[in-house]
Amino acid sequence: AQSVTQLGSHVSVSEGALVLLRCNYSSSVPPYLFWYVQYPNQGLQLLLKYTTGATLVKGINGFEAEFKKSETSFHLTKPSAHMSDAAEYFCAVMGQGAQKLVFGQGTRLTINP
Amino acid sequence: GAGVSQSPSNKVTEKGKDVELRCDPISGHTALYWYRQSLGQGLEFLIYFQGNSAPDKSGLPSDRFSAERTGGSVSTLTIQRTQQEDSAVYLCASNYLGQGAGEAFFGQGTRLTVV
Repeated sequence: AQSVTQLGSHVSVSEGALVLLRCNYSSSVPPYLFWYVQYPNQGLQLLLKYTTGATLVKGINGFEAEFKKSETSFHLTKPSAHMSDAAEYFCAVMGQGAQKLVFGQGTRLTINP
Repeated sequence: GAGVSQSPSNKVTEKGKDVELRCDPISGHTALYWYRQSLGQGLEFLIYFQGNSAPDKSGLPSDRFSAERTGGSVSTLTIQRTQQEDSAVYLCASNYLGQGAGEAFFGQGTRLTVV
């Protein structure tokens, strides 16, 4: 069965600083991996996903994530944080084939001016 | 409609009453998921429907919770004899599991408050 661990329930960075949100997964088969974002009082929307092919995936709003099979990780990064990036971020995993989508506990990102 | 639609958007109910939450997925999406998001918590998986396969009910927290999906489209999540700990936002998502993993699209959720 798949599972996801997000290290750090809260991350705080200064505006302009690097954003790094950590995600590790476990899966018995090569997984599909996702990052979703939830802005305050809004629904979840997809930031980016990894299915096959290139392991460095670029998403919306300048975010990217790298699939590292050897480390079972899919960390989310952004070179320079913006105030508008303040939100809850969720990592999710799905096994290949028709399997359920499992989410991590989420990381709340705060941006300090 | 173009997106996943959930109704009602807000529901206040008295402890012990039954509630039904509705989800209208995106047309053509074969998979439908229900999640629960409690204050300060992540997304707790509840149940997953995929096509005509038997649903994965492994996340339902008790036998007071049940869900069905009629005609491979609309889904209803039913909570019987509601308790205060059932208060949460219930989220529905749908996607198309064809070749490769499609993006799961989420509804805006139903905020359930049990008083």
